[in-house]
Amino acid sequence: AQTVTQSQPEMSVQEAETVTLSCTYDTSESDYYLFWYKQPPSRQMILVIRQEAYKQQNATENRFSVNFQKAAKSFSLKISDSQLGDAAMYFCALTGRDDKIIFGKGTRLHILP
Amino acid sequence: GAVVSQHPSRVICKSGTSVKIECRSLDFQATTMFWYRQFPKKSLMLMATSNEGSKATYEQGVEKDKFLINHASLTLSTLTVTSAHPEDSSFYICSAGGAGEPYNEQFFGPGTRLTVL
Repeated sequence: AQTVTQSQPEMSVQEAETVTLSCTYDTSESDYYLFWYKQPPSRQMILVIRQEAYKQQNATENRFSVNFQKAAKSFSLKISDSQLGDAAMYFCALTGRDDKIIFGKGTRLHILP
Repeated sequence: GAVVSQHPSRVICKSGTSVKIECRSLDFQATTMFWYRQFPKKSLMLMATSNEGSKATYEQGVEKDKFLINHASLTLSTLTVTSAHPEDSSFYICSAGGAGEPYNEQFFGPGTRLTVL
């Protein structure tokens, strides 16, 4: 079975600072993909960043980057220059051959002005 | 980007009635759609996989007779909550995937809030 664990229910960061959200996962598949999704108050799921497990290079999307440690099954999200609009629920997620997305429990991120 | 719609966005119904929620892929054909349930301040829980032209496959613990799924075309999947009860009140989200490479990226609908009185 695939599992995704987020151990930080809530986090706060000062505006313009950097914050890192943690995530660990477990899967028996060799080909899989990892994601970070953002869910703002509107509850629309927004894909923030994606990492292919076969790629060693960490994915980056503007202010968002990941630290993918495959051996440790760790996949953290770093948000640089935090903005008020980054406040949301963030879900770490995993998918394999069957396309099912398994989500972690989420981390609520607060941005302090 | 690919757009997925859900209808209705919110629905209120009486206990014992059935409610149908539609999930449509607007600008692509979805070979697979997924239905999730999200309780307040909780994560998304996968309910079932909807495959066009075949029976849905349900996750363990999900009552298939309670949550009927029909994927009649490559752009439409429906979730019917039968004989709804207050404990069925929740936020239901669908996702639709195309036939992309190297994997079928999932695109999420905006969700449907169901309240059963």
